[in-house]
Amino acid sequence: QKEVEQNSGPLSVPEGAIASLNCTYSDRGSQSFFWYRQYSGKSPELIMFIYSNGDKEDGRFTAQLNKASQYVSLLIRDSQPSDSATYLCAVSSDSWGKLQFGAGTQVVVTP
Amino acid sequence: DAGITQSPRHKVTETGTPVTLRCHQTENHRYMYWYRQDPGHGLRLIHYSYGVKDTDKGEVSDGYSVSRSKTEDFLLTLESATSSQTSVYFCAISVGTGGQPQHFGDGTRLSIL
Repeated sequence: QKEVEQNSGPLSVPEGAIASLNCTYSDRGSQSFFWYRQYSGKSPELIMFIYSNGDKEDGRFTAQLNKASQYVSLLIRDSQPSDSATYLCAVSSDSWGKLQFGAGTQVVVTP
Repeated sequence: DAGITQSPRHKVTETGTPVTLRCHQTENHRYMYWYRQDPGHGLRLIHYSYGVKDTDKGEVSDGYSVSRSKTEDFLLTLESATSSQTSVYFCAISVGTGGQPQHFGDGTRLSIL
């Protein structure tokens, strides 16, 4: 059984601080890693994807991948109240693109 | 905007009735997916398609069937709906090959009484 694990939260972050979200996965053959943001009652929105070990930065977001440790993380710098949402980690292990999702981490940015 | 439209957006129906959800895309993407989202489970893959008439099962396919007779439409059918299929259903497309990022439609909230 392939598993993707995330802390459910809520993760409370002061405005302007860095939010750090973690995700572990069980399938060593995993190839593609994605972070989605989901506001309550809305659909998931892609914010980052990463395929290789190391860091990938896009604006205030940084994704970090460590395949040896089977760990992917998301950093949100200068957190804003609009970043309050649930963040979903998703992992793909094949060329069909079938995604395995974690249950999500709720982030609450407090003014 | 990935050009994905799901219909209906909301539906309430009774146990034992057939239900069909539609996912329509406007950009000719090859890969399409159906997921369901339930509290505590995240999103789980039901079925996926890699071309016209090419479909396969996902993690939670029991009780569901799909069809793709045209590139732009991917239909999800519950032949005889059960209360356990009450959920939010999302369609997604992959913008390139299967391993590329997926973009989601707005979802269908389905309640089975």
